Amino acid sequence: QKEVEQNSGPLSVPEGAIASLNCTYSDRGSQSFFWYRQYSGKSPELIMSIYSNGDKEDGRFTAQLNKASQYVSLLIRDSQPSDSATYLCAGGGATNKLIFGTGTLLAVQP
Amino acid sequence: GAVVSQHPSRVICKSGTSVKIECRSLDFQATTMFWYRQFPKQSLMLMATSNEGSKATYEQGVEKDKFLINHASLTLSTLTVTSAHPEDSSFYICSARGDYFSPTYNEQFFGPGTRLTVL
Repeated sequence: QKEVEQNSGPLSVPEGAIASLNCTYSDRGSQSFFWYRQYSGKSPELIMSIYSNGDKEDGRFTAQLNKASQYVSLLIRDSQPSDSATYLCAGGGATNKLIFGTGTLLAVQP
Repeated sequence: GAVVSQHPSRVICKSGTSVKIECRSLDFQATTMFWYRQFPKQSLMLMATSNEGSKATYEQGVEKDKFLINHASLTLSTLTVTSAHPEDSSFYICSARGDYFSPTYNEQFFGPGTRLTVL
């Protein structure tokens, strides 16, 4: 069974620190990976997509992909209280479907 | 770009009634849309994949006769919960895959969701 696993948290970091969110996946056929942010009671919002090994940076966010280790991570620099949310990792393969992890709850303490 | 809307945002209905939820891609054409359900403190559960002009593909355990999906145009998919019961109360979210001719083709963009409460 294809799975995406995340630590449910909560991950608590002080304001201004770097938050590191991790994700592993079981399907070696997965080709694309995504990080979504979901505030309580709201729908997911796409933050980052990554398709090749290495790092991809966008503002305060950096996604990292290591296909050999089947590992995806998201770094949030200069964390703000407004970053407090559940972060969902998702992997996509040859089909149209995304496989979502259960999400990591991030709490940024002012 | 890549904006997806859903209507209604919230609905309360009596047990036994049917509820239709609309999902629209506002600024792009979506040949593929997805319907998810999310219970409190749980992750997204994919219910079905909706392809324009063809029958939807349902995930295992999802009753296709209860959750009717229609994707009649490149910008609209509808989910009808037939004969709703309290256990169908949930947060229903649609997503649309990016335009075929754009770099976002592999990405899914979510609508704001519909909170269904069945009394």
